[in-house]
Parts: sequence; structure tokens; C-alpha cells
Amino acid sequence: ENVLTQSPGTLSLSPGDTATLSCRASQSVRGNYFAWYQQKPGQTPRLLIYSASYRAPGIPDRFSGSGSGTDFTLTISRLEPEDFAVYYCQQYGGSPYTFGQGAKLEIK
Amino acid sequence: QVQLVESGGGVVQPGRSLRLSCAASGFTFSSFGMHWVRQAPGKGLEWVAVISNDGSRKWYADSVKGRFTISRDDSQNTLFLQMSSLGAEDTALYYCVKKFRAGSNPEALDYWGQGTLVTVSS
Repeated sequence: ENVLTQSPGTLSLSPGDTATLSCRASQSVRGNYFAWYQQKPGQTPRLLIYSASYRAPGIPDRFSGSGSGTDFTLTISRLEPEDFAVYYCQQYGGSPYTFGQGAKLEIK
Repeated sequence: QVQLVESGGGVVQPGRSLRLSCAASGFTFSSFGMHWVRQAPGKGLEWVAVISNDGSRKWYADSVKGRFTISRDDSQNTLFLQMSSLGAEDTALYYCVKKFRAGSNPEALDYWGQGTLVTVSS
């Protein structure tokens, strides 16, 4: 199983700041089949980034993904109040399609 | 628009079985692989199972392998999850989720249903 470890667990920032969330895989992710999701309280997850660096339809360009192999990053520039949420990484290059444990982005 | 509506959750005793359903609409169901993902109360996301668009390939999380079976009925645009030998660790909100794009390539997950809650308790 490809274990994904997200860091930091909680990130406290202010609107207008830049958030950098990391996800490290225990094995190389095949084909860079890697995604990021956002989940707000009481809501279902929303796909932000697929294939490590491609924004899903309707996602603002403030969100960007990068990385390959075992190390991936989600960067959110110019934080808006609605960006404060929990973020999950996921690899779908091979079964089981594991998620990271989640990272909470909170308002400082 | 894409709609995924899960049903079949409820309170079940340990060791018993339960069958979840997901009614899909708004897209060509038979063209898309489909997933089940669960989330225990207050916890993170856990991927459970996936079935290919033609139903020929299925994969499971180690935690459910041998106990859960994913299936689909394209004539009814419905996804199923048959769960057996349930334990407290299976208590969670179960989401039905659509693959981002059609075809056989690996894809991220885009549309999520609202989920159906399964509680395993005596």
C-alpha cells in the first residue's frame, strides 16, 4: 500500500497569504496519477487538482499543484476566506487508491 | 447535471450484512468507472473500492477485501456495495463517487454523492 503523509497537519494563515501543503508518498506514484481535494465542514470533497498539476474545471488559478515521484505540493496563493478547509491528497496510480490523512488550513 | 444518490445505510449489528445502492443520473453511467469512499465520523477519507466502466475489473482496500463486493447494473444506472461481516470499524458515511473522465485510464474522482451513513452497533 502506498501510504501518503501530509504536512503540516494544521496550517494557520491569514487571508491574502500563500499556503503550501505537502504530501509525501511511501512509493513512487505511477504516472503522476495524483490528486488534491478540498472538503469544507458538512460538504462533500471537491476535486481541485488531477494528474499532479492540472486544475479541475472551475477551480481558480490561485490553486496550483506540483511534484512527481513521491513528493507533491498544493499551493494556494492569495488566500480567500472560502479557502479555509481541510485538504486531502490522493494517489490513483495503483490499488489501493490511498488518501492522505488530511491537512487543515485554518484562519490565523 | 450529475447526480449520485446513495441509499441503504442504517444501523446494523456486528457481523451482519448490508447492501448500499447509488442511483446515478446526468451522465452516461456505463462509460465511467465508479468508486466507493467512506469517512468515519470526524475522520479522514478512506478509499473502499472501484469498479471499471464495464464491470470486469474490481479493486478493494485491504480493510474490506473478502468482505465487501462492488457491482453495477448499467441497465438501472446503479452502483452497489454489498457489505458483510460488518464491524465497528466499518461505521462511516459511504460516498458513491464518479471517475473524472470516461475510459480505462486511472482518473481522479470528481462528483460525490451526499453519502449514506452506516452505523455498526449492537
